[in-house]
Amino acid sequence: QSVLTQPPSASGTPGQRVTISCSGSNSNIGSNTVTWYQQLPGTAPKLLIYSNDQRPSGVPARFSASLSGTSASLAISGLQPEDEADYYCASRDDSLNGDVLFGGGTKLTVL
Amino acid sequence: QVTLQQSGPGLVKPSQTLSLTCAISGDSVSSTSVAWNWIRQSPSRGLEWLGRTYYRSKWYNDYGVSVKSRMTINPDTSKNQFSLQLNSVTPEDTALYYCVRERPLGGAFDPWGQGTLVTVSA
Repeated sequence: QSVLTQPPSASGTPGQRVTISCSGSNSNIGSNTVTWYQQLPGTAPKLLIYSNDQRPSGVPARFSASLSGTSASLAISGLQPEDEADYYCASRDDSLNGDVLFGGGTKLTVL
Repeated sequence: QVTLQQSGPGLVKPSQTLSLTCAISGDSVSSTSVAWNWIRQSPSRGLEWLGRTYYRSKWYNDYGVSVKSRMTINPDTSKNQFSLQLNSVTPEDTALYYCVRERPLGGAFDPWGQGTLVTVSA
């Protein structure tokens, strides 16, 4: 069981807005930055969000993220069929000697 | 554009050593602004960070607590690559292994190698 907790699944219809949560603690999200990754079927994860809420160049603006205390959220607005993928949050954990932790992942289905 | 090309065997016997190499194009293993990581993924353990190597006037290594006693990451400046060695493997080490660059942007992992499926079996 991951220390960063994500819902195992989420779903939405095209055009909708969906959010994915990532719950941690003071030793990880509460004191370190959060990154988000998108993993399309059969491919390696891809950086989606860094430094809590920053989008790398090339990532559409409909992907956004926020942080509140020891929880983080990824929001996808204007959902598109190609957004169907697994999404992972990650953060370092000070109680584990700075190890990087990943959430268990959320499988997003576009209905 | 930075690309990472992984190589190494896909099958390792229990108790033996798992060895993988990651060749870097478009960046330098000796760069003082990034770090070079190994991450694995399996159905039972999900995504698991294994460790990293980086250069800041001298070489540093960090290893995940779950593999620290069995893990070695070595940079090879002559070939601009880095390697992973995991000793005394068990079937629990069966996973998809990725090499990944860590950017100086909140520890963001980008890009990722193509992944190597390693099966531990007799």
